[in-house]
Amino acid sequence: EVQLVESGGGVVQPGRSRRLSCAASGFTFDDYAMHWVRQRPGGGLEWLSGISWSGSTISYAGSVKGRFTISRDNANHLVFLQMNGLRPDDTAVYYCAKVFTNSGYAVGFDTWGRGTLVTVSS
Amino acid sequence: DIVMTQSPDSLPVSLGERATISCRSNQSLYYSSNDKNYLSWYQQKPGQSPKLLIYWASSRQSGVPDRFSGSGSGTDFSLTISRLQAEDVAVYFCQQYYTTPYTFGQGTKLELK
Repeated sequence: EVQLVESGGGVVQPGRSRRLSCAASGFTFDDYAMHWVRQRPGGGLEWLSGISWSGSTISYAGSVKGRFTISRDNANHLVFLQMNGLRPDDTAVYYCAKVFTNSGYAVGFDTWGRGTLVTVSS
Repeated sequence: DIVMTQSPDSLPVSLGERATISCRSNQSLYYSSNDKNYLSWYQQKPGQSPKLLIYWASSRQSGVPDRFSGSGSGTDFSLTISRLQAEDVAVYFCQQYYTTPYTFGQGTKLELK
């Protein structure tokens, strides 16, 4: 079974850091790009960052660029999101997502974790 | 960034009736080199993670019932549920993957009338 499990969420004070992890199983991890998406309470989906299968290509949303860093460990089937300088408006459920490919193109995210809640509050 | 705008924000529909959700982008999502529109649709039920329904604007993901269909090209797209069933009550999001950041629409809440 293809599965993603996020961890690392919790309550963190403004200005502090947190690292999220996503453990992947059930597929050939190093064949796929991986992404992070968040959802604020009662809100919509916000794409944050993506990393290619090799880790050589990385993209960020403007709202997190310079504060968040995505990385991956293909040997252990893990993807990470290092979050620095957290702000109250970073409070959200953070999802890890696997790319779905069709004819060699990435066409969306076909597997999502259950998410991990990060609450930024003093 | 590409801005994705869905309408309506909320859509009450009776069981067995048709539901249509619109999604508009502020620039074309059509890539001429492969004749594809880089748009997907997701369904998110309460307390669950999003589920991929449609990609390439009109290709149904494996296992998705054929009452779900996507259409459109360029900047105007729609998701149609032909005969609403109770389990279709959810929030639906469109997403462009033409270029990063891969932006989502704000979501449309589909509810029973």
